[in-house]
Amino acid sequence: DTAVSQTPKYLVTQMGNDKSIKCEQNLGHDTMYWYKQDSKKFLKIMFSYNNKELIINETVPNRFSPKSPDKAHLNLHINSLELGDSAVYFCASSRVWGGGLNEAFFGQGTRLTVV
Amino acid sequence: DQQVKQNSPSLSVQEGRISILNCDYTNSMFDYFLWYKKYPAEGPTFLISISSIKDKNEDGRFTVFLNKSAKHLSLHIVPSQPGDSAVYFCAASVTGSARQLTFGSGTQLTVLP
Repeated sequence: DTAVSQTPKYLVTQMGNDKSIKCEQNLGHDTMYWYKQDSKKFLKIMFSYNNKELIINETVPNRFSPKSPDKAHLNLHINSLELGDSAVYFCASSRVWGGGLNEAFFGQGTRLTVV
Repeated sequence: DQQVKQNSPSLSVQEGRISILNCDYTNSMFDYFLWYKKYPAEGPTFLISISSIKDKNEDGRFTVFLNKSAKHLSLHIVPSQPGDSAVYFCAASVTGSARQLTFGSGTQLTVLP
């Protein structure tokens, strides 16, 4: 039983396209996140989201937007893809927002390649 | 501005010996620290954590040490096993900050049989 699952695992697309990455968690967690692992291997937070609040990392271009149809899903939409968007994107979830244990559970990642 | 730094991109250790992975941070507001382990083509998995009110936390073969004055933490694995070969990420967070984790760039640990 996969706790946090992302689809697709690999995504190759052309510049200028719009694409989405889906994420689902079956842990009953209240908070979900999107992280980007760049070419230097750093994992950087993009969004933190629960049903009440969305926190956006100020460095994230507004071409990126999270969409949450329900508590178990947080999809990532990317408009007008650019070459620099190529990276591995990780979805994650955690039990508590702003307090208590904060170990996050990660999906397996989506490797996005923009050509 | 890298607030969490792992200065060693790789480390090789003989099976059965101790592995020591190091991490430095610059943000004095960080009060919770974690280590994640990542295998290729998988997401990071939580390994062990430590609160800033402690200086040591142990879980089986894994021990994390925190030196707040030096803004340094380390992960000790003893004895090291070949299955421990993975990338290890150090992460830190600030209480009440929506628990966003700030990660280091990772250290590739290779345990040689």
